[in-house]
Order: sequence, then C-alpha cells, then structure tokens
Amino acid sequence: SQQGEEDPQALSIQEGENATMNCSYKTSINNLQWYRQNSGRGLVHLILIRSNEREKHSGRLRVTLDTSKKSSSLLITASRAADTASYFCATNTGNTPLVFGKGTRLSVIA
Amino acid sequence: SAVISQKPSRDICQRGTSLTIQCQVDSQVTMMFWYRQQPGQSLTLIATANQGSEATYESGFVIDKFPISRPNLTFSTLTVSNMSPEDSSIYLCSPGSGHEQFFGPGTRLTVL
Repeated sequence: SQQGEEDPQALSIQEGENATMNCSYKTSINNLQWYRQNSGRGLVHLILIRSNEREKHSGRLRVTLDTSKKSSSLLITASRAADTASYFCATNTGNTPLVFGKGTRLSVIA
Repeated sequence: SAVISQKPSRDICQRGTSLTIQCQVDSQVTMMFWYRQQPGQSLTLIATANQGSEATYESGFVIDKFPISRPNLTFSTLTVSNMSPEDSSIYLCSPGSGHEQFFGPGTRLTVL
C-alpha cells in the first residue's frame, strides 16, 4: 500500500523558477529517498535523507525532513526544462522494501 | 552503486502468453525486490526474493501469476504468466539495501 502522498500531484513552472514538492508518510521510518523518473524510463536516485537528519543538499536539490510531522520536501532551484519528470518519495525501515508515494509530475516550461 | 541490468527492455505480447524478465546485478545482494508500475501510477511492490527460499508476495500478487526465481545472489527472474492487457506496466527490479536503493532500467510490457 502507498505510504506517502506527494503534493501537489502536478506542478507547472517556468524555467528558472524554483519547484517545491512535498511528501507525507504514515509510519516511523529509517530514511526517506527521492527519485526522478523521466517519461516511461527507469528511476533515478536523487537523494537519501536519514531520520536523524533535517536537511540535505545536492547541487540544485534541497531536501528537508520533519519526522514530527512525518513530512519531507524537495526543492529544485533554478529549474530547467530537463527537470521535467515525475518525482517520487519513498520510505523504508532498515532492510524493508521501499514504499512509494504517488508522485508529482513536474513540467518546466522553457 | 550497483550496476543493474534488465532484459528485455520492452516487449509487446499477446494475451494468454507469458514473459520472463531477467535482472542482473554486478554484486551479490541478499534481497531482490520486484516492483510494478502501471501506466500513470506509482510503484507497487510485487514480491521480495531471497536466494534459497521462496519469494514473499505482497497482497494482491500470487506466485502462480508472478513466479520468481533467485538462483544466485546476482540474478533473479520474474515471469508474468497468462498475461492480460491489465498486466501492461513497467516492471522494475531493485536489490535490497539498507541505504540508497537503486533500480534497474525497467521492462516496459504491453499486452495486446
């Protein structure tokens, strides 16, 4: 069953703007991971944030985690047309399989 | 990160037939997860495969429909049996990890 819910389900922005996607989950977790999927392709791992971390950066990506609210956000700064994709959050506990949210479809318009 | 390959990358099949998807990892992994992604949807776990034991299936998935083999620690197969158009999906394998979890490139299956 789906653990997370992404918000919004779809987002359309202009190139150069920032994009923020949110993810909520229901149970305690060890870590939360964000993935990107270009249309019909495989999943690209973006970033992992552990339950004892609050914020993590990777290039133009910034991820926050609030375990008290069971939520995470993914910020993409200075977006590019190539960032157009679906973004998923996924959670697990230890070696358990990932449970995915429903995803956010991001469209970056040049 | 592990290098994960899947074969075939895509296939178009007739209803009633079966397709076996192969997943190869370049390092030994204890657990292999198989996921399905139906069109426009998120990923759903089909089963967890450990070497030397039967796979564990999630609710809604059964061994007769999705038999899995795990002959060694670097390889696994998922068969989609007696296919119907509802089986049209992307199927992805993912070696289990307590840290970053990576995915194969996926197999896009279309059933006519």
